[in-house]
Amino acid sequence: KAGVTQTPRYLIKTRGQQVTLSCSPISGHRSVSWYQQTPGQGLQFLFEYFSETQRNKGNFPGRFSGRQFSNSRSEMNVSTLELGDSALYLCASSFLLAGVIDTQYFGPGTRLTVL
Amino acid sequence: AQTVTQSQPEMSVQEAETVTLSCTYDTSESDYYLFWYKQPPSRQMILVIRQEAYKQQNATENRFSVNFQKAAKSFSLKISDSQLGDAAMYFCAYRSVRGGSNYKLTFGKGTLLTVNP
Repeated sequence: KAGVTQTPRYLIKTRGQQVTLSCSPISGHRSVSWYQQTPGQGLQFLFEYFSETQRNKGNFPGRFSGRQFSNSRSEMNVSTLELGDSALYLCASSFLLAGVIDTQYFGPGTRLTVL
Repeated sequence: AQTVTQSQPEMSVQEAETVTLSCTYDTSESDYYLFWYKQPPSRQMILVIRQEAYKQQNATENRFSVNFQKAAKSFSLKISDSQLGDAAMYFCAYRSVRGGSNYKLTFGKGTLLTVNP
């Protein structure tokens, strides 16, 4: 079974621009979560989607948004980029077991650099 | 809110020896999951081992085992017969079983493990 895939793997943007990152979950996984990883803050939860609905969101400004499509693929968007948005963005997918999300499996990440 | 603490920023071990990475967590919940993830230089986050809080038996996956002490809120990872490929950043993570918090992992800051040949 193919793992979680994320595109693009690397991205360079300038301040003020916007960016869209994509995540394709493992086949059969309907829950997709996004995390931001930085040297200073570590790994922080952004949001989680299930059946095209955002069920929970972390403590990030409204510039960070996402969506999920009917095939469970997910995108996250960051508008008006700031230097502090430079990070590794990780996507994780999970199967639902009795209504509870099971172990999350991660993609390789997208490295975003904001200049 | 739950917190996860990894008190060892860096550890080193000789190839073929055993090393233990520490993790403590704080929660008021009685049912939850604990995980160890490994992140090698490729940055791919890889699941190492998982423990359900309701299970008293410590989880084991080949050379990897945990020492889960629920009362002490401690969850350490033991790597036996260390191999060069074990070199990576190791993250301890917590996840609730129910409610909105079920949807997210709370990570520690990580422990960088070096394996010396």
